[in-house]
Amino acid sequence: KQEVTQIPAALSVPEGENLVLNCSFTDSAIYNLQWFRQDPGKGLTSLLLIQSSQREQTSGRLNASLDKSSGRSTLYIAASQPGDSATYLCAVCGANSKLTFGKGITLSVRP
Amino acid sequence: NAGVTQTPKFQVLKTGQSMTLQCAQDMNHEYMSWYRQDPGMGLRLIHYSVGAGITDQGEVPNGYNVSRSTTEDFPLRLLSAAPSQTSVYFCASSYDRGVAKNIQYFGAGTRLSVL
Repeated sequence: KQEVTQIPAALSVPEGENLVLNCSFTDSAIYNLQWFRQDPGKGLTSLLLIQSSQREQTSGRLNASLDKSSGRSTLYIAASQPGDSATYLCAVCGANSKLTFGKGITLSVRP
Repeated sequence: NAGVTQTPKFQVLKTGQSMTLQCAQDMNHEYMSWYRQDPGMGLRLIHYSVGAGITDQGEVPNGYNVSRSTTEDFPLRLLSAAPSQTSVYFCASSYDRGVAKNIQYFGAGTRLSVL
């Protein structure tokens, strides 16, 4: 059974800091890995999707990497801003497009 | 494009009542799914569908029924609500071709309380 782990559960950083969010998974037989953002009381917004054959994807200040063989992904946020405060969820996609989620990392960026 | 639309946004039920959570997408996606999100548990898959007329169980299907009569709609039915079903429910959809490229789009969620 696939298990996805995100540690730590919460993170607080000062504005402007570069930061890395980690995600690990137990079964390397995945089709892709997605990073989502969730604001309090809201739905999930897809940030980046990395296909299993890819190593990284970039969107603006965000860069996500994937090492399928070691079961790890990282989300790098450059020059963090208070508006980046949210919960970041990692999810791996397996057979039949089923997603297995980590429990998320709640990020707080202090002005 | 409205994306994935869920109704209602909030609902309070009494134990034993039934209700249907609605989910509709206007992106012609083949794949649709329902998740529940609970504190400390993350999101867990309830049921999913790979196309009209085809549904299957996810990780936590007990107490829930689904059907998929059209490509656009994927309702989730609670036949006899229990307090353990108090949760936030999310519907998601994606294309089911070329799985590796599939971005999954989520609705805004339905907050359900069962008293």
